[in-house]
Amino acid sequence: EADIYQTPRYLVIGTGKKITLECSQTMGHDKMYWYQQDPGMELHLIHYSYGVNSTEKGDLSSESTVSRIRTEHFPLTLESARPSHTSQYLCASSGFPGRTPSGANVLTFGAGSRLTVL
Amino acid sequence: KNQVEQSPQSLIILEGKNCTLQCNYTVSPFSNLRWYKQDTGRGPVSLTIMTFSENTKSNGRYTATLDADTKQSSLHITASQLSDSASYICVVSDRGSTLGRLYFGRGTQLTVWP
Repeated sequence: EADIYQTPRYLVIGTGKKITLECSQTMGHDKMYWYQQDPGMELHLIHYSYGVNSTEKGDLSSESTVSRIRTEHFPLTLESARPSHTSQYLCASSGFPGRTPSGANVLTFGAGSRLTVL
Repeated sequence: KNQVEQSPQSLIILEGKNCTLQCNYTVSPFSNLRWYKQDTGRGPVSLTIMTFSENTKSNGRYTATLDADTKQSSLHITASQLSDSASYICVVSDRGSTLGRLYFGRGTQLTVWP
């Protein structure tokens, strides 16, 4: 079944550690995104990719980095985690065959990775 | 400034009752409006997507309406169930880029009590 997977679902680490949040999709989507979400707040786009070897920063400044070496894989890395990085990170993808008849890209989200930095 | 405002911020209803959630936006130009349901600790799941030419769209017990003139949308939930307890997020896309930038509301937190 086509889907989008995020690991780990929950992560508690100490300040200064390097972490990588994994995101993989099996839908063959060309576009992938990382959003950051805090409780009661809207989602903020931090990174996106139009395809392999293409990555762009989003609207919200983030100290994280991403890579897109394979179509299905879009990992996010924090070189040195800080308490201010504590948040929910949501990965999403879009593209054929997820396009609606009107042409709009419909995002499919992963279950999220809840990061807590102590 | 392009914005998406949702009301109410939170809502509690009894199982079996109906409810309506509101979304007002100032995004321009406008391409489409989406409603997502986000269960606690999960990612958002798409409920409906409407372009400017669509006034209403249903998905089971969920019915979304769109008034592109007044830039308002509503999501009506009929005969609520306990599983409807979630955050409902309104998302508006513009036509400013090939992808269409997405503007997210903060969501309405719905709680359905037995």
